[in-house]
Amino acid sequence: RKEVEQDPGPFNVPEGATVAFNCTYSNSASQSFFWYRQDCRKEPKLLMSVYSSGNEDGRFTAQLNRASQYISLLIRDSKLSDSATYLCAVPSRNTDKLIFGTGTRLQVFP
Amino acid sequence: DVKVTQSSRYLVKRTGEKVFLECVQDMDHENMFWYRQDPGLGLRLIYFSYDVKMKEKGDIPEGYSVSREKKERFSLILESASTNQTSMYLCASKLQGFPDTQYFGPGTRLTVL
Repeated sequence: RKEVEQDPGPFNVPEGATVAFNCTYSNSASQSFFWYRQDCRKEPKLLMSVYSSGNEDGRFTAQLNRASQYISLLIRDSKLSDSATYLCAVPSRNTDKLIFGTGTRLQVFP
Repeated sequence: DVKVTQSSRYLVKRTGEKVFLECVQDMDHENMFWYRQDPGLGLRLIYFSYDVKMKEKGDIPEGYSVSREKKERFSLILESASTNQTSMYLCASKLQGFPDTQYFGPGTRLTVL
């Protein structure tokens, strides 16, 4: 099993829709989780950090399911500007580095 | 404001050339990283450094080396560039022990002909 896995998508949704992506992780001891957003031909940028059961920031909600070892990112009222690739990241077991998923591509259409 | 800069946005080199990619951060971060990103493969860690002159291999170090002589600068070296090293190269840095402080540079798109 890969350390971090994501559905690559693409997820094609209309403006205003609610969309959710999942990210599964293998390290059951992980205490922190991160969602990054990456626009086309740009660098990844931190979107949200999750340290307990979840986190909410405006239209974005991250939820953690420890029993099933996945985190989800929910985007409500999707905007055209939300079109991007969303990367999930989890700290590695024994070293101070992040393990990234391959990303989920979201395309919001008018 | 957080800043990670990379020496070039686009680079074209020929097979067999020695290539230097430079990364500089101004946040006094201890940890620095070099990734490459390819379609369908995501971000793969090449090397990382947890302090000056300290380095550790990542998942795909073959064909690469690194140098960290100063805290703010982390260089990636392709000793003899090959076409399969054509990729987007991303540098990142963060504070030791604080994964939510990881920031990326803008990336260098390297093409090896």
